[in-house]
Amino acid sequence: NSKVIQTPRYLVKGQGQKAKMRCIPEKGHPVVFWYQQNKNNEFKFLINFQNQEVLQQIDMTEKRFSAECPSNSPCSLEIQSSEAGDSALYLCASRTGRGAETLYFGSGTRLTVL
Amino acid sequence: GQQVQQSPASLVLQEGENAELQCNFSSTATQLQWFYQSPGGSLVSLLSNPSGTKHTGRLTSTTVTKERRSSLHISSSQTTDSGTYLCAIDNNYAQGLTFGLGTRVSVFP
Repeated sequence: NSKVIQTPRYLVKGQGQKAKMRCIPEKGHPVVFWYQQNKNNEFKFLINFQNQEVLQQIDMTEKRFSAECPSNSPCSLEIQSSEAGDSALYLCASRTGRGAETLYFGSGTRLTVL
Repeated sequence: GQQVQQSPASLVLQEGENAELQCNFSSTATQLQWFYQSPGGSLVSLLSNPSGTKHTGRLTSTTVTKERRSSLHISSSQTTDSGTYLCAIDNNYAQGLTFGLGTRVSVFP
């Protein structure tokens, strides 16, 4: 099935701390997405990339997150100053980018902000 | 309002029973995926089915695009089928998928 690799599996941070998570997309997939899933199962799109370029991001991501997908290195998503409301499951997904095709997800990073 | 609505919200089955999960969506979808999410959170793509009927193992999905609905049929349920089943559509290519809130399935022996 999916070969998207996310690390770490769990992350615990105090309020105000930075929280960084990583994602290795499936080989041959230049398009990468980050989503946040809260405890109510609601998914929120955060940002996506095509190769190293940001395609789209929401306002929250632009203001509070730092994200990149450098060539030959894992993609990363970092919250600059964690808040309690950031506690959620962060999911990375990738696809080839050729039309509307299947999106493959990693196992997620579960962030808890104390 | 919610673009993707799933029903029922939860379902309890005895092992061996069949189940039908519903997904209704309010906008045109160029892609529709059914996912299984384990209690630990891992998301597994089950089927990509923007139209018609597709099968994989004990799962059958039928999507009627013009009626904006899709169903996922689980036959001969097993305890390992327990988890949350999510329906998602791709109606904004740039942002990827829009998800429903899922159907939580519990299968007991």
